[in-house]
Amino acid sequence: GEDVEQSLFLSVREGDSSVINCTYTDSSSTYLYWYKQEPGAGLQLLTYIFSNMDMKQDQRLTVLLNKKDKHLSLRIADTQTGDSAIYFCAVDNYGQNFVFGPGTRLSVLP
Amino acid sequence: NAGVTQTPKFQVLKTGQSMTLQCAQDMNHNSMYWYRQDPGMGLRLIYYSASEGTTDKGEVPNGYNVSRLNKREFSLRLESAAPSQTSVYFCASRTDSTFSYNEQFFGPGTRLTVL
Repeated sequence: GEDVEQSLFLSVREGDSSVINCTYTDSSSTYLYWYKQEPGAGLQLLTYIFSNMDMKQDQRLTVLLNKKDKHLSLRIADTQTGDSAIYFCAVDNYGQNFVFGPGTRLSVLP
Repeated sequence: NAGVTQTPKFQVLKTGQSMTLQCAQDMNHNSMYWYRQDPGMGLRLIYYSASEGTTDKGEVPNGYNVSRLNKREFSLRLESAAPSQTSVYFCASRTDSTFSYNEQFFGPGTRLTVL
C-alpha cells in the first residue's frame, strides 16, 4: 500500500524559513495535501497541490512537488511562533481515504 | 454549522471495559473515518465508511467495531479495552468531489486512557 514518510522534528528561529519534506511511494494521487495540527486539536487542511503542478504559492506557504522523485515539500516563509504545530503530508488513496505521513513537529524558537 | 463533533473528549477505562465513541457531522458528507494517533506514528486508519450502510477495515481494525447509524453518525466501539488502545481517536468526514480536490474535516479528538 501507499507509504508516506516525513522527518519527525524541525526547529527554526522566528523569522527564518521552514522547509518540511515528505516522500511517498504511489504516484497515482491526483492531489497532495498538507494538514496542520495545533496542540489539543484535530487536523486542518493547510494547502494542497494538483499533481500536474510543480509549485503552488499561497501567501507565506510554498508547496513544491517533484513527481519524478515522489517528493513534496512545504516552505513557510518568515516563520512565526504561531506556526508551531505538527504538519502532516497526505495523499489520496484512490479516492477511498487519505494516507497520512507521521507528521513533522515544527518548533519555532524566539 | 458545527462540522465534526465527537464525544466524549476524555475517557479513562479499565482493561476489559467497553465503550462507544460517538461522532457526527452536519456537512452531508458520504465518507466518514476513524483514526487513532500515537506519537511518532501519525494517523492510522481504523475503519471507514464510504456511504451510509457500508463500512470497511482500515490499517488497524483489530479490537474495534463501527456502526454507520445514518449519514450523519459514525460510532466506534471498543468491546474489551486493552492498554494498547490508549491513544487519541479522531473522527473525520470528507467531501465527495470527483472533479476537484477533496478535504477531510476532523473532529477535536477523544483522549482515551486504558489502565
